Amino acid sequence: VQLVESGGGLVKPGGSLRLSCAASRFIFSDYYMTWIRQAPGKGLEWISYISDTGGYTNYADSVKGRFTISRDNAKNSLYLHMNGLRGEDTAVYYCARGQYSYGYWGQGTLVTVSS
Amino acid sequence: DIQMTQSPSSVSASVGDRVTITCRASQGIRSWLAWYQQKPGTAPKLLIYAASTLQTGVPSRFSGSGSETDFTLTISSLQPEDSATYYCQQANNFPYTFGQGTKLEIK
Repeated sequence: VQLVESGGGLVKPGGSLRLSCAASRFIFSDYYMTWIRQAPGKGLEWISYISDTGGYTNYADSVKGRFTISRDNAKNSLYLHMNGLRGEDTAVYYCARGQYSYGYWGQGTLVTVSS
Repeated sequence: DIQMTQSPSSVSASVGDRVTITCRASQGIRSWLAWYQQKPGTAPKLLIYAASTLQTGVPSRFSGSGSETDFTLTISSLQPEDSATYYCQQANNFPYTFGQGTKLEIK
């Protein structure tokens, strides 16, 4: 199983970013997928998940209305569209495989929100 | 939201010691609890899911127990490579939430 995130970087407050997670070595369309983040020096925060077909999603209150999770099963890819970014969104963003617990994680991609 | 409270926040123990970390949920979560180990600069690693099921490949010195509101992670004989931060996570109610972490150091 391999999960590789990309798309992180420096963005100004109010800006937008799209994170990607490329999945390989497993049948991507069989699994729910999740985004989890970790602010520098802080703990883990669950932020969103999407069902295997993409038909069901859920979000943490901290990102609801600003972030959108999506997937393209034909491309074995998971996405996180982030709008209205704030300083408190600065974190390493991980994609992880699973619905209730996460046995496989990517290496993470750092998003820094700063002017 | 369900609050997950871990104790202690940090612990220092010697190789060979038995170490127990506690996680308390603010409301009952049945057995929807997982434990993770995270070392600096790396992604978390799943140790235990469904409160007491050992993830494949995880050493048997790790074990989990509990249900509803009170859970424990036990390391039966501490090894040097167990130095890390440990997190619990509930998956009974949205939003899923993590404990604040317990930093385990080796004396």
